[in-house]
Amino acid sequence: GAVVSQHPSRVICKSGTSVKIECRSLDFQATTMFWYRQFPKQSLMLMATSNEGSKATYEQGVEKDKFLINHASLTLSTLTVTSAHPEDSSFYICSAGLLTEAFFGQGTRLTVV
Amino acid sequence: GNSVTQMEGPVTLSEEAFLTINCTYTATGYPSLFWYVQYPGEGLQLLLKATKADDKGSNKGFEATYRKETTSFHLEKGSVQVSDSAVYFCALSNAGGTSYGKLTFGQGTILTVHP
Repeated sequence: GAVVSQHPSRVICKSGTSVKIECRSLDFQATTMFWYRQFPKQSLMLMATSNEGSKATYEQGVEKDKFLINHASLTLSTLTVTSAHPEDSSFYICSAGLLTEAFFGQGTRLTVV
Repeated sequence: GNSVTQMEGPVTLSEEAFLTINCTYTATGYPSLFWYVQYPGEGLQLLLKATKADDKGSNKGFEATYRKETTSFHLEKGSVQVSDSAVYFCALSNAGGTSYGKLTFGQGTILTVHP
């Protein structure tokens, strides 16, 4: 099947700094990618839809100025958590669709200390 | 809007026991339905899917049938193994094409299988 690669898998950062997470479709082009957030022992909540060459679409309640999304090419979307705080600590995961299936990255465990 | 409701866990079973995890959904149109599995510290892996009513998805001994009349997609396995211990997510998508990456998830069910 298709492969979506996410990097880094784990990151620890200091409060107030910014962190960038990359999501790449390795063997297919993805004009649209999706970013989810998963709190401990909870389900995945869609944060935003990343659109190649245009602005991302954010779900209600998600701060677009805190979670910056850039989709500059057909194979790469980035999520930047700006001025991170401990409450931003979470598991972030991206996905891309191909034909009738969604493919997920491995996820990024962000810990803000 | 779309929603998915899963049987609450956690579920604890002995090896070789029968597994059922209930999943019901609310959606417009004719969604595709999925079961994903997440092992500790890892991302999601597609376990099985069904794209239309009465379809049965199956993989690794797991099965689920798309029941439109009851809006359900229950996951079953006849004999679980310790290696099946994971979190299971029911999900749906009624987006097409490249929007298939956009899913609505149930709350997840933690399964623990003891030897």
